[in-house]
Amino acid sequence: DIQMTQSPPSLSASIGDTVTITCRASQEIGNSLGWYQQKLGKAPKLLLFSASALDTGVPSRFSGSASGTDYTLTITGLQSEDFATYFCQQYHTTSALTFGGGTKVEIK
Amino acid sequence: EVQLVQSGAEVKKAGDFLKISCKGSGYSFNTYWVAWVRHKPGRGLEWMGRIYPGDSTTTYSPAFEGLVTMSADKANSTAYLQWSGLKASDTAFYYCVRGKHYYDLWGLGTLITVSS
Repeated sequence: DIQMTQSPPSLSASIGDTVTITCRASQEIGNSLGWYQQKLGKAPKLLLFSASALDTGVPSRFSGSASGTDYTLTITGLQSEDFATYFCQQYHTTSALTFGGGTKVEIK
Repeated sequence: EVQLVQSGAEVKKAGDFLKISCKGSGYSFNTYWVAWVRHKPGRGLEWMGRIYPGDSTTTYSPAFEGLVTMSADKANSTAYLQWSGLKASDTAFYYCVRGKHYYDLWGLGTLITVSS
């Protein structure tokens, strides 16, 4: 299986900060990556797919990028509603999709 | 409203049979894949497999092949995940999700607790 190593596991940030979360794939996945947000007690929400495409209705402060096997989620201008857990998911291997371990974004 | 509504929490014993459900509404259920994702406490998410309700085509993760069975009732817009003999290690949250590769709609999850 393709391993997705996500970092950091948690971070503290303030309103207005720019936050970056990274997922490193164990092999090339060709931008077949999604990012999700999960708030406590809620279902996860798709933020981006194909590494950098925003899902419908997702604010533009969320963005995604790729460099080799490293994929980054950036939140520019953190808002109060952005404190949540974020995780990535690769779908390059369509019969063995895998997820990153998650990053909890907390209020500093 | 577009949603996936999952069946309620279950408390079972090892060896029990269990079938949980996921009902789609607000969209054409039969034309979207439904996948199942396991989340164990303190661990990451695990993709279990997917089913296409329109014709019940399934793809299982090698890690779950033979351990669970996915099915769908397209007349009732419902997907199912079943175990013929639960193990304590099956204790987890189980999410149904919409999509083939990435998932734009998630159910709230079904908590399954299995005692040995």
